[in-house]
Amino acid sequence: GDSVTQMEGPVTLSEEAFLTINCTYTATGYPSLFWYVQYPGEGLQLLLKATKADDKGSNKGFEATYRKETTSFHLEKGSVQVSDSAVYFCAQWGGGSNYKLTFGKGTLLTVNP
Amino acid sequence: DSGVTQTPKHLITATGQRVTLRCSPRSGDLSVYWYQQSLDQGLQFLIQYYNGEERAKGNILERFSAQQFPDLHSELNLSSLELGDSALYFCASSVVGGETQYFGPGTRLLVL
Repeated sequence: GDSVTQMEGPVTLSEEAFLTINCTYTATGYPSLFWYVQYPGEGLQLLLKATKADDKGSNKGFEATYRKETTSFHLEKGSVQVSDSAVYFCAQWGGGSNYKLTFGKGTLLTVNP
Repeated sequence: DSGVTQTPKHLITATGQRVTLRCSPRSGDLSVYWYQQSLDQGLQFLIQYYNGEERAKGNILERFSAQQFPDLHSELNLSSLELGDSALYFCASSVVGGETQYFGPGTRLLVL
């Protein structure tokens, strides 16, 4: 079945460091891919998305590229801030008869000043 | 603010009891989704409604049920509660396609 695997956390970085959170997916078709962010005590917020191969989603300095050949959608940011501390979830939406989002387990990011 | 509202924010109840969680979707969204977030299971899709009708089912227990009303708000009913039902319950909404979902702030349920 469809699944999403993302790197285990927690990830701890210093401010202005480079961030990569790996995400790979398995799907029977060609899913849309998403990154959601959950700040402490809050719900999930859509961070960025990509709907087809080679698309790049970007928002707030974060970006991720849909790589069909490696079935990956890794999240990157060039210079993290303390305010980026949160849990990040990679997700896929299969479309067709599969009307649900399938999430990875989440990666906790802590950025220290 | 996603535009999706959920009530209550917190709920504490006892085993064997029944509770109802409420969700109001974003204006114009016809689809409502329910998710459960727990430490051991992560984020699990429970059920989806579209314009009042059930459209997809995920890992929803038989003790749980949901419905979507004509004004498009939705309720998730959890009965015969067990300790393991303690979790965060999220509602999300989307336009017809469902691809991009907007999440509410969640209801934190604690079963004692």
